[in-house]
Amino acid sequence: SQQGEEDPQALSIQEGENATMNCSYKTSINNLQWYRQNSGRGLVHLILIRSNEREKHSGRLRVTLDTSKKSSSLLITASRAADTASYFCATVPRGGQNFVFGPGTRLSVLP
Amino acid sequence: NAGVTQTPKFQVLKTGQSMTLQCAQDMNHEYMSWYRQDPGMGLRLIHYSVGAGITDQGEVPNGYNVSRSTTEDFPLRLLSAAPSQTSVYFCASSRLEGTYEQYFGPGTRLTVT
Repeated sequence: SQQGEEDPQALSIQEGENATMNCSYKTSINNLQWYRQNSGRGLVHLILIRSNEREKHSGRLRVTLDTSKKSSSLLITASRAADTASYFCATVPRGGQNFVFGPGTRLSVLP
Repeated sequence: NAGVTQTPKFQVLKTGQSMTLQCAQDMNHEYMSWYRQDPGMGLRLIHYSVGAGITDQGEVPNGYNVSRSTTEDFPLRLLSAAPSQTSVYFCASSRLEGTYEQYFGPGTRLTVT
């Protein structure tokens, strides 16, 4: 079974709006990462947040982590058409070394 | 740096045929892995390696073999292709220490008829 589950499965917004995606996971983790996948391409790492961190920023990205609720959120501010992609959360379970990916959120940013 | 490279980009096989998907990285990463991606699902781990000569099974290893004779290369072998192995395959690598950020190859789209 998958460790992470993203929500929503699909999201459609207008350019300039903010996009929020959520990820829930099942077991204790070392860290949680978010990746982006453009259609037909490999995944690209966006941001990593460690289990002892609560919030992290990178450019227009803001990630939060709530280990008590076993959940994370990815906020993309002032979205652009180029942000159209699938977004995946990946966790590394505590004591483990392998990444476990959720099914992803498909984001469409309309011009 | 070329990063992670995969060949071929596309492949069509008949049921029962065997083939090897190639993966190479030039970042001196210890950890390498193979995933398959199917519609509506995330990436599922097939096999992984934490260094030359060391491999282990992931979530969906049946029907696949791997080897790691060098740090750079991590080929995935399909022993006897089945239609259920139709998928997009991604190779990835990362350092074992530090950020654990994974670098992905561009993928191989495999169709088994």
